[in-house]
Amino acid sequence: GDSVTQKQGQVTLSEDDFLFINCTYSTTTYPTLFWYVQYPGQGPQLLLKVTTANNKGISRGFEATYDKGTTSFHLQKASVQESDSAVYFCALVDLAGYKLTFGTGTSLLVDP
Amino acid sequence: GPKVLQIPSHQIIDMGQMVTLNCDPVSNHLYFYWYKQILGQQMEFLVNFYNGKVMEKSKLFKDQFSVERPDGSYFTLKIQPTALEDSAVYFCASSPSGTGHGQLYFGEGSKLTVL
Repeated sequence: GDSVTQKQGQVTLSEDDFLFINCTYSTTTYPTLFWYVQYPGQGPQLLLKVTTANNKGISRGFEATYDKGTTSFHLQKASVQESDSAVYFCALVDLAGYKLTFGTGTSLLVDP
Repeated sequence: GPKVLQIPSHQIIDMGQMVTLNCDPVSNHLYFYWYKQILGQQMEFLVNFYNGKVMEKSKLFKDQFSVERPDGSYFTLKIQPTALEDSAVYFCASSPSGTGHGQLYFGEGSKLTVL
């Protein structure tokens, strides 16, 4: 079955630091890849989405490249702000179904 | 943006009782989902629902769980009877068809505490 791996459970940075959150996936089909962000007390919300291999998704200063060769979809941001503190989920949906499979989430804390 | 509403936001019940969690999805969305989240981390898929039927369910969707959307009203998750391990935050989500495939809109969650 489909799976998504996020090795970092928690990341702590200072404002203006560079952010890198690791995500790798496993699937037998051609997935669409997502990053969702969850702020405290809220449900996850879509941050960015990429449907085609080797394409990059960009949103609100965040970016992620769908790398089919390494089956990765790492999330990056050049300069984080305190308001970016949240839990970030990598996720995929395959072409056959309508089920969104999430990674375990990475909790980002940005100190002012 | 589009809003998914969940009622109640928090429910405390005794083990063995029944609970119904209600979801008002985004209007005109056709696909509905329930996810379970424990300790603010892992989002675990429970079930998805389309055209009045369960399309797919996970191993977490035990026999005590059921979903329905009678007459286009609330999309509900019922647990009867509840167990201690059902304590979690349950998120409802909806999505449009076609090109919206995979883009889910989540509610703010219903926190269930089973004592």
